[in-house]
Amino acid sequence: QVTLKESGPGILQPSQTLSLTCSFSGFSLSTSGICVSWIRQPSGKGLEWLATICWEDSKGYNPSLKNRLTISKDTSNNQAFLKITSVDTADTAIYYCARSPYYSGYFDYWGQGVMVTVSS
Amino acid sequence: DIQMTQSPTSLAASVGESVTITCLASEDIYGSLVWYQQKPGKSPQLLIYGATILEDGIPSRFSGSGSDTQYSLKINSLQPEDFASYYCQNGLSTPYTFGAGTKLELK
Repeated sequence: QVTLKESGPGILQPSQTLSLTCSFSGFSLSTSGICVSWIRQPSGKGLEWLATICWEDSKGYNPSLKNRLTISKDTSNNQAFLKITSVDTADTAIYYCARSPYYSGYFDYWGQGVMVTVSS
Repeated sequence: DIQMTQSPTSLAASVGESVTITCLASEDIYGSLVWYQQKPGKSPQLLIYGATILEDGIPSRFSGSGSDTQYSLKINSLQPEDFASYYCQNGLSTPYTFGAGTKLELK
């Protein structure tokens, strides 16, 4: 049974760094072709892909967030991480992590999401 | 970036009816089109990938079609649990991009 669960700070101030953790079970990020991604959704709005990390440590980032994103993983502890620097109120959203099988461009399992609010 | 234009933005229908949602990609995505369903307060659920392949466990009343830049999701014989938001996604290349969504409401 594949499960993913996100965790984060809940609330943080503008200009701070957002650190998110995705803890998963039922699969391994050392398995060939498996990737984990981060996707976010502001309240009442659509979905935005942020970043992906794959089993062999290849990474992809959304260029719209320029150099603010860093994705990483801890394979032995079944976790993936995302850092977003210099957050702004526009980064307020629900953040999801999701799995992609076989290097595919789709997300077959999603976490429940974690709400992050950026506010002074 | 590949832009995904989804229509309609909202749609009202009755139980038992059939509806179609369309998605237009700004360039050929070679069938790498994905559909998700999202219910309020829940995370998106994968419905269809590869434009036409139904994910395991998804009812057969859902179907996808299309090629090149034009794709559609059809839901036959709407059930009460189908009233939700639907999103298409470019699965061909990063940055993976989503349509703005279609909210399917009960008439």
